[in-house]
Amino acid sequence: AQRVTQPEKLLSVFKGAPVELKCNYSYSGSPELFWYVQYSRQRLQLLLRHISRESIKGFTADLNKGETSFHLKKPFAQEEDSAMYYCALSVHDYKLSFGAGTTVTVRA
Amino acid sequence: GAVVSQHPSWVICKSGTSVKIECRSLDFQATTMFWYRQFPKQSLMLMATSNEGSKATYEQGVEKDKFLINHASLTLSTLTVTSAHPEDSSFYICSARDLRGRDEKLFFGSGTQLSVL
Repeated sequence: AQRVTQPEKLLSVFKGAPVELKCNYSYSGSPELFWYVQYSRQRLQLLLRHISRESIKGFTADLNKGETSFHLKKPFAQEEDSAMYYCALSVHDYKLSFGAGTTVTVRA
Repeated sequence: GAVVSQHPSWVICKSGTSVKIECRSLDFQATTMFWYRQFPKQSLMLMATSNEGSKATYEQGVEKDKFLINHASLTLSTLTVTSAHPEDSSFYICSARDLRGRDEKLFFGSGTQLSVL
């Protein structure tokens, strides 16, 4: 069965500093990887997906099949980036397996 | 983006009663919806896949007689927690699959906090 691991429950960075959220997965095939974000008092929403290869709100994530990782990065964190971030994996038909989530706090 | 409405936002019920949670796609048709459960400070766990016009597909360990799912129309899926007990207290979230356009996406409801007394 597939599994998603986010080793950091909490991450605190200063505004303007780089931020990296780690995500590792276990699955023998070729999954689709996602990052979802949940801002305070809002619903879960898609941040980015690996097949899109795009940067959203300054965030990027590269799928590393060798290391089975999909780390999320942003070179300069902003206060509005404070949120809960979930890494998720889909094997087929958008059935998502989520990681435990990382709470990011960006301090002024 | 598309909108998924989930109702109610929170519900408190007595042990032994049944509770129905609705998930509606407001501006698109969703042949597939998903139901998740989330315990405090834990991840979302997929409970079942709701398919319009057919039976739901439940994940391993989820009691289908306990968590009844009905997807009678292209815009509505319901989750009924039958004979609820305190251990069913949790945050339940639905999502709907939007197949329009090239970029298929999932949209999430705002969740329902269920407290069983």
